[in-house]
Amino acid sequence: GDSVTQMEGPVTLSEEAFLTINCTYTATGYPSLFWYVQYPGEGLQLLLKATKADDKGSNKGFEATYRKETTSFHLEKGSVQVSDSAVYFCALAYTGRRALTFGSGTRLQVQP
Amino acid sequence: EPEVTQTPSHQVTQMGQEVILRCVPISNHLYFYWYRQILGQKVEFLVSFYNNEISEKSEIFDDQFSVERPDGSNFTLKIRSTKLEDSAMYFCASRDRGDTGELFFGEGSRLTVL
Repeated sequence: GDSVTQMEGPVTLSEEAFLTINCTYTATGYPSLFWYVQYPGEGLQLLLKATKADDKGSNKGFEATYRKETTSFHLEKGSVQVSDSAVYFCALAYTGRRALTFGSGTRLQVQP
Repeated sequence: EPEVTQTPSHQVTQMGQEVILRCVPISNHLYFYWYRQILGQKVEFLVSFYNNEISEKSEIFDDQFSVERPDGSNFTLKIRSTKLEDSAMYFCASRDRGDTGELFFGEGSRLTVL
């Protein structure tokens, strides 16, 4: 079946450091890929998405590129802020089937 | 800004008791979902609901679970006889008609079964 694997957390960085959170997937077809973020005390929010190979999703300084050859969708940000501290979830879904398959989440802690 | 709201935020129950978790999706949304996350594990899909019926469910969603949209605003998840392993955070989500892929999630209801 389909699955999503994320790097273990927590990831602890200093402010303005470069962030990478790895995400790889296993899928039988060609899904859309998503990153969701959960800030403390809040629900999951869509951060960015990509619907086909080589697409780059971007939002709030975060980027991720859909790499079919490596089945990856790594999340990156050039300079993190304390306010980016949250749990980040990688997910996939197929068009017409809206049941997202999530990874286990990666907690990011950014220290001032 | 419209949001998905869930109640209760935390419920503690005894094993074997019935639990109802409530959700108010965004008002013009048509598709509704329940997910759960056992502590330290993945966010798992339970069920999706559209046009007053279940459109998809996972193997987790067995006969102990049911969903209902009793009126025009609420969407509920019922667990008939809770087990210890039902302890988890339960997330409700909704989306509109468009195919943007974006689900809007509530803050979750934490269920603790003793």
